[in-house]
Amino acid sequence: QKEVEQNSGPLSVPEGAIASLNCTYSDRGSQSFFWYRQYSGKSPELIMSIYSNGDKEDGRFTAQLNKASQYVSLLIRDSQPSDSATYLCAVTLSGGGADGLTFGKGTHLIIQP
Amino acid sequence: DGGITQSPKYLFRKEGQNVTLSCEQNLNHDAMYWYRQDPGQGLRLIYYSQIVNDFQKGDIAEGYSVSREKKESFPLTVTSAQKNPTAFYLCASRGVRGSPLHFGNGTRLTVT
Repeated sequence: QKEVEQNSGPLSVPEGAIASLNCTYSDRGSQSFFWYRQYSGKSPELIMSIYSNGDKEDGRFTAQLNKASQYVSLLIRDSQPSDSATYLCAVTLSGGGADGLTFGKGTHLIIQP
Repeated sequence: DGGITQSPKYLFRKEGQNVTLSCEQNLNHDAMYWYRQDPGQGLRLIYYSQIVNDFQKGDIAEGYSVSREKKESFPLTVTSAQKNPTAFYLCASRGVRGSPLHFGNGTRLTVT
């Protein structure tokens, strides 16, 4: 069973600090990696995509990918109360098939004002 | 404005009744997906379709059925055979292979 693992939290971070969210995956052939934000009762919203090793920055968000370690992370700088949500890591599996996404169970992030 | 529309937002049914959830997209995407989400759980794949008139079972297809008669539409029927149907149902679509999924707003189904 190919899996995506996340710490469920809650992860509590003071406002203005850096929030660091981590994800590991088991399928060494995975090529596409995504972070979604999900507010309570709402659908997931894509916030970052990353396809190659290294860092990718978009505003306050930075995604980091290390394929050798099978590890992807999301950093949120200058955290705001509006960043409080569940963050889902998603990975496409290798080997064809659905090419849908396999999701982790999500990390619940709380930004303390 | 392109997007995915799921309806209804909330749905209540009695046990033993079949119910159909609607999903329509105007993104011109070939691939469409249905996921189920339970509290504190990740998303689990029910069915997917990569082309009109073709669909495949996902990880938890038992008790569900789908059709894909048009590119824009991918309705999901929750049958009475589904043992635990109360959940949040999410429809998604994808453009080129490897690109991210776009989600609809979801349908929250409650069966009593």
